[in-house]
Amino acid sequence: DTGVSQDPRHKITKRGQNVTFRCDPISEHNRLYWYRQTLGQGPEFLTYFQNEAQLEKSRLLSDRFSAERPKGSFSTLEIQRTEQGDSAMYLCASSRSLNTEAFFGQGTRLTVV
Amino acid sequence: AQTVTQSQPEMSVQEAETVTLSCTYDTSESDYYLFWYKQPPSRQMILVIRQEAYKQQNATENRFSVNFQKAAKSFSLKISDSQLGDAAMYFCAYRSNFGNEKLTFGTGTRLTIIP
Repeated sequence: DTGVSQDPRHKITKRGQNVTFRCDPISEHNRLYWYRQTLGQGPEFLTYFQNEAQLEKSRLLSDRFSAERPKGSFSTLEIQRTEQGDSAMYLCASSRSLNTEAFFGQGTRLTVV
Repeated sequence: AQTVTQSQPEMSVQEAETVTLSCTYDTSESDYYLFWYKQPPSRQMILVIRQEAYKQQNATENRFSVNFQKAAKSFSLKISDSQLGDAAMYFCAYRSNFGNEKLTFGTGTRLTIIP
């Protein structure tokens, strides 16, 4: 069990550029979650998948954000036309099934300059 | 919508002593889960303890225990025999048991352990 893996760990990008983050959940975990954490705040829910199906999206997820989980394995989170307000830690978590523990990755820290 | 409030941005405790972190929440639901997560500096968030709302008995995990007061919507975390490795951000979180799988987090409490 290698845990939830996120790549990259850090990303600095210029405003207006597109960025993509990857999350590899623990194998056999069918649920995958994305959260965003800004400085001094707790994580805020963005979206989650059950296998390849995206079941819920937060209102925080504007049209510039898109997430996919092809084949129900790894997931990607893309932010188009980044803005300074997108600077945050993006956390991924996975769980085996409903009502089981969610395991978090170390996150991707995005800085938009 | 559910909300989670942690009113202590920072706490400190002497090593080997006991500390209690506070959490209150607001919900109209009767069936839910409450969690305490620990986030050490530059490391991933890990689950410390969880409580199911329909269970009256307070959850305990080694040195960590909770005081769950459902009527008061209060869920505090007690850490006994504090150790240097307990230093971290602690987040209280809520999850509905009605098909909504998202976690709603508080703003966190930074715990410092004084040697």
